[in-house]
Amino acid sequence: QTVVTQEPSFSVSPGGTVTLTCGLSSGSVSTSHYASWYQQTPGQAPRALIYKTNTRSSGVPDRFSGSILGNKAALTITGAQADDESDYHCLLYVGSGIWVFGGGTKLTVL
Amino acid sequence: QVQLQQSGPGLVKPSQTLSLTCAISGDSVSSNSAAWNWIRQSPSRGLEWLGRAYYRSKWNYDYVASVRSRITIIPDTPNNQISLQLNSVTPEDTAVYYCAKDVAGTGYFDYWGQGTLVTVSS
Repeated sequence: QTVVTQEPSFSVSPGGTVTLTCGLSSGSVSTSHYASWYQQTPGQAPRALIYKTNTRSSGVPDRFSGSILGNKAALTITGAQADDESDYHCLLYVGSGIWVFGGGTKLTVL
Repeated sequence: QVQLQQSGPGLVKPSQTLSLTCAISGDSVSSNSAAWNWIRQSPSRGLEWLGRAYYRSKWNYDYVASVRSRITIIPDTPNNQISLQLNSVTPEDTAVYYCAKDVAGTGYFDYWGQGTLVTVSS
């Protein structure tokens, strides 16, 4: 069974830069995994930030960017703001029509 | 503007069938450029993609292995909605369930339902 890994938690200072990663229990993440990233605040449905590795969803500020870093997908937030404090989830395509979410990263801005 | 409106019971007894419906407005369930997904979220399991249905000349379905023997996603073209049935539920199926639209099967879930908390308990 494929497991998608994310850091359980991360913290960043206001105005700082943070990179969250999304890996696979076996193997490297590539553009073929169509990585997407979702932001979620308590009680709300997730909101799409990035899809197909590095394409921003409509209305998402350009301080959010996606990439492949080494063998993982990555979400970088540049100039973090207080309202970026959220849970961040990645989603990967693992083949045969199947998608898998990572466990999520709780980001604290302080 | 696409809107997804979920409905269904919030309490299901163990061994029974969980049934939820997602009414779609602003798009068509039989669109050739969308896929309709069901996802759930619980504190213990996080977000879990359950499966999807999409129409490309015929209906296609994909389900995650962990629930494949118990899940059915049912498109309802006349009513423009997509439904989820999960059989033989246990307390481990307690979660918030979401429907979500995926753009052309790219993993870009651009619209989500509001979520439905389903509790499995006697």
